[in-house]
Amino acid sequence: GENVEQHPSTLSVQEGDSAVIKCTYSDSASNYFPWYKQELGKRPQLIIDIRSNVGEKKDQRIAVTLNKTAKHFSLHITETQPEDSAVYFCAAKGGFKTIFGAGTRLFVKA
Amino acid sequence: NAGVTQTPKFRVLKTGQSMTLLCAQDMNHEYMYWYRQDPGMGLRLIHYSVGEGTTAKGEVPDGYNVSRLKKQNFLLGLESAAPSQTSVYFCASSYWSGSTDTQYFGPGTRLTVL
Repeated sequence: GENVEQHPSTLSVQEGDSAVIKCTYSDSASNYFPWYKQELGKRPQLIIDIRSNVGEKKDQRIAVTLNKTAKHFSLHITETQPEDSAVYFCAAKGGFKTIFGAGTRLFVKA
Repeated sequence: NAGVTQTPKFRVLKTGQSMTLLCAQDMNHEYMYWYRQDPGMGLRLIHYSVGEGTTAKGEVPDGYNVSRLKKQNFLLGLESAAPSQTSVYFCASSYWSGSTDTQYFGPGTRLTVL
């Protein structure tokens, strides 16, 4: 079945450094790739997304890249801040179903 | 707008008991989803619905049933709860615009099965 793998599971960075989270997907029919942020005890919320006909998208300090040939997509956070500490989920949507990765717990040390 | 709401927020069941989780959305979204979230396993899709009166199985549907009798409500039922169903359950709704499909999540229901 469809699968989304996410790495790393835990990431610790110093405030101001960059953080990169990588995902791979198995379903070649996937055409939409959202990223969600979940703070402790809260619900997941969309932070950025990208469609399969776009290679890169940027929104202030966050950016997402997509390599459809390799079935890879990545989240890049620059100039990290303590409030970026959370769990980040990548996901891939093909048809009606969205399959989520297992999540990356990001710690930003002040 | 309340967005997506879930009832109840917490529940403790004994093995074999049944219960229904209610999800409601006021955004007129066609699509609704039920996920479970377990440590280290992300969000796994249980069942979903693409419109009133329709439901479909997700990744982990066994032991659960759903109904979408009204567009704004999506119910998740556990007929005979098992300890393996201890989890946090999230409901979500979305509207596929053709270019984006933001899922709006409810606050979650923490279920413990003893």
